[in-house]
Amino acid sequence: GQQLNQSPQSMFIQEGEDVSMNCTSSSIFNTWLWYKQDPGEGPVLLIALYKAGELTSNGRLTAQFGITRKDSFLNISASIPSDVGIYFCAGSAWYNNNDMRFGAGTRLTVKP
Amino acid sequence: DTEVTQTPKHLVMGMTNKKSLKCEQHMGHRAMYWYKQKAKKPPELMFVYSYEKLSINESVPSRFSPECPNSSLLNLHLHALQPEDSALYLCASSQDSEKLFFGSGTQLSVL
Repeated sequence: GQQLNQSPQSMFIQEGEDVSMNCTSSSIFNTWLWYKQDPGEGPVLLIALYKAGELTSNGRLTAQFGITRKDSFLNISASIPSDVGIYFCAGSAWYNNNDMRFGAGTRLTVKP
Repeated sequence: DTEVTQTPKHLVMGMTNKKSLKCEQHMGHRAMYWYKQKAKKPPELMFVYSYEKLSINESVPSRFSPECPNSSLLNLHLHALQPEDSALYLCASSQDSEKLFFGSGTQLSVL
């Protein structure tokens, strides 16, 4: 199946700083999603993107669907301690039965 | 109600045991999924049910047996598991294959 390359693998930041992470693929996607997962819990959907170029915000979070349809980024502004967790990008494509595939995740640590 | 409910939260079983994981959603979603997640790894797709029929089986060993009794329920029957099957098992549902909503998972330990 298609590979999603997510970076960075981990980030250590100070409270109040902005964060940026991204996902790329060698194939195009119809849908990009961003999830956050806390330890021992299931992933929680943060933002869903459906159109190339689409820019969507959810509070302090902003995500974009790349123009080429092969990438997406997630920004978190003014980070707070509860932003700690693992962030996953996920994508689906019509040519793969719209199955959702996940990036490897970005582990975010926020120091108070 | 946007919840996907999974039980049990934790499960410890021996290699000769038979157990079942349960999942329930009341969002009217047409598709339900089982994912397996090892520590520090992304979720890996195991099975997909669409309109209560198994549509995808990602070459999962037969010791994992899914069942979809109705459109709201999804089970995963476990038998003769191996220690390497220990993982977080996640259930998810979706209406349109474009957004997955996950349960909080069952943390399984096989001794």
